[in-house]
Amino acid sequence: GQQLNQSPQSMFIQEGEDVSMNCTSSSIFNTWLWYKQDPGEGPVLLIALYKAGELTSNGRLTAQFGITRKDSFLNISASIPSDVGIYFCAGQLSGNQFYFGTGTSLTVIP
Amino acid sequence: EAQVTQNPRYLITVTGKKLTVTCSQNMNHEYMSWYRQDPGLGLRQIYYSMNVEVTDKGDVPEGYKVSRKEKRNFPLILESPSPNQTSLYFCASSLSAPQETQYFGPGTRLLVL
Repeated sequence: GQQLNQSPQSMFIQEGEDVSMNCTSSSIFNTWLWYKQDPGEGPVLLIALYKAGELTSNGRLTAQFGITRKDSFLNISASIPSDVGIYFCAGQLSGNQFYFGTGTSLTVIP
Repeated sequence: EAQVTQNPRYLITVTGKKLTVTCSQNMNHEYMSWYRQDPGLGLRQIYYSMNVEVTDKGDVPEGYKVSRKEKRNFPLILESPSPNQTSLYFCASSLSAPQETQYFGPGTRLLVL
């Protein structure tokens, strides 16, 4: 199956620090999305990107759709304790199948 | 309240005993999908459905069946469960396509002994 490689796998940061994570693939994606999963719950969409080069913000979150369409990154500025969770990139190839990355686990130390 | 519901939330079963996990959404969404989540592997798509009576295989369909007889329901069927199907399962729906906002159910944790 399709592999979306996320890095880093886990992060431990101090409250107030900025966070950066990325997602890469060997295939070209038409859409990139970023989800967050809180413990015991399903993922929730944070940001959706539809065009190569697109840069989109949602509050303290900023994500970009890579120019090559094979990668995307997510930045979180001034992290707070409620940012804790697992962050997944996800994408759609040419059909209607949907792929998720392996996840980045974020821990914010108050 | 707009939501995706799954039942049961937890299930322990034995190898070979057929089971069904139900999924229902009340948002009149056309697209529905099943995922399994395993440590280190993220979420992997099992099956998806673009509309009633239209279903397609995802990345890991082996050992699973689905049906979409009504728009709101998308049950996941394990005809003969095996231990490697022990996982956390999520149902999701979106208005018409996967790249739109997908709303996820609360998850079903399955243990196959």
